[in-house]
Amino acid sequence: NAGVTQTPKFQVLKTGQSMTLQCAQDMNHEYMSWYRQDPGMGLRLIHYSVGAGITDQGEVPNGYNVSRSTTEDFPLRLLSAAPSQTSVYFCASRSPANHRDNEQFFGPGTRLTVL
Amino acid sequence: LAKTTQPISMDSYEGQEVNITCSHNNIATNDYITWYQQFPSQGPRFIIQGYKTKVTNEVASLFIPADRKSSTLSLPRVSLSDTAVYYCLVGTQGGSEKLVFGKGTKLTVNP
Repeated sequence: NAGVTQTPKFQVLKTGQSMTLQCAQDMNHEYMSWYRQDPGMGLRLIHYSVGAGITDQGEVPNGYNVSRSTTEDFPLRLLSAAPSQTSVYFCASRSPANHRDNEQFFGPGTRLTVL
Repeated sequence: LAKTTQPISMDSYEGQEVNITCSHNNIATNDYITWYQQFPSQGPRFIIQGYKTKVTNEVASLFIPADRKSSTLSLPRVSLSDTAVYYCLVGTQGGSEKLVFGKGTKLTVNP
C-alpha cells in the first residue's frame, strides 16, 4: 500500500491564483482530513470528510473548498490564494472500523508559498 | 473539546528515559488520550493511545492516573532519532475529526 499520497510536494503561487492540492489513499479509509501547519505551530483542521459525498468544516475553513466524490480522493481547493495561506498542508485518513479510535495516517505534506 | 497543556520543549541525552506529561483537566468520560510524533518535514505519526491505567507498545508507554486529568508518555532509552515534536491529543470514543493538535513538545536528544 502507498498509504496517503499528496501532490505536489512544493508549490509557489501568486496572490489571487487558484489551485488544487491532491490527496489520495489506498487503504479504503472512510475518514479523510486536511490540516495546515504554520511554523512553530501545531496542526489546524481545515475540512474533513466522513465518507464519499459528506464533508464538513474544521477550525480554519475560510478560503478553502473540498469535495469527496470517491473514497480514495479528497482534493483541497484554494479559491484565491493569499499570503496568509502560506503553510504546509497535510492530508490524513483513518478507518474507525479497522484502527484505534484516534489513529490517523498522514501524508508527507505539501509546502505552499503564496507571494 | 478537552484542551491539553504540555511543555514547549525538553532536552535529554541518549540512553535516558524521557517522560512527557500532558495535562487535560476537562477530559470527558468517553475521551481517549492519544500521542503523535512528528519529525521535521513529515506528517505526524501515531505512537500510542489509552483510556486509563497503563498502555505499552514497542515504542512507548502511556501512564494515565485514575482521575485521567493528566497522562505521561514514557520513551525508554531515547536515541538521537527520537528528536521530534510530540503531541498529546484528547478525543471522543469513536474518533473525531476535530482532534486538536496543540503546539506539542519539542524533544531534543543530545549525544
